[in-house]
Amino acid sequence: EPEVTQTPSHQVTQMGQEVILRCVPISNHLYFYWYRQILGQKVEFLVSFYNNEISEKSEIFDDQFSVERPDGSNFTLKIRSTKLEDSAMYFCASSESTSRYLRYNEQFFGPGTRLTVL
Amino acid sequence: DQQVKQNSPSLSVQEGRISILNCDYTNSMFDYFLWYKKYPAEGPTFLISISSIKDKNEDGRFTVFLNKSAKHLSLHIVPSQPGDSAVYFCAASVTNAGKSTFGDGTTLTVKP
Repeated sequence: EPEVTQTPSHQVTQMGQEVILRCVPISNHLYFYWYRQILGQKVEFLVSFYNNEISEKSEIFDDQFSVERPDGSNFTLKIRSTKLEDSAMYFCASSESTSRYLRYNEQFFGPGTRLTVL
Repeated sequence: DQQVKQNSPSLSVQEGRISILNCDYTNSMFDYFLWYKKYPAEGPTFLISISSIKDKNEDGRFTVFLNKSAKHLSLHIVPSQPGDSAVYFCAASVTNAGKSTFGDGTTLTVKP
């Protein structure tokens, strides 16, 4: 069964360093998302991406964050200068392009990357 | 502003009985309501959804009920199985391909 994969599973970095989190969405999916979950808190939406551009972003997704689809398979989240409060699980998700009337396009989530900022 | 709320952080039920997980929302623009299941060290897994024009959607042991006037939805699992033990997140979306706005989650424990 196709699945979303994410690398690395765990990333440790120093405050102020840049990190790139990588995701390989399911191959025929065209909508891509990043979410994060700070320990003990809810899953929060960061950004959605469709047709090679950001379609929606949250207030968390400030200028320190960027997303890219550098090739036909990868979808990356870059944090330019990490802060302690960026420590969280980061989940990538993807969904099909088919718009089905009255049916939600199921989002398939990856296993997450645990980011620890020291 | 917490747009999606799950007021019960945990629920424990006996195997074979019904599990009922509840969720409230505040944003009238939500048109799709979702339930995700999450095991430790894994990403959320989509379980079931319902659009705002329906009041019930069933998929096997899982049924979601929507009361739009009360801005309330619930997930019923019948019969509950030990493998159902996980964190269940209620979520909502304005469009059918839009972001999911999550609740805090309810940890379900199904005892053998």
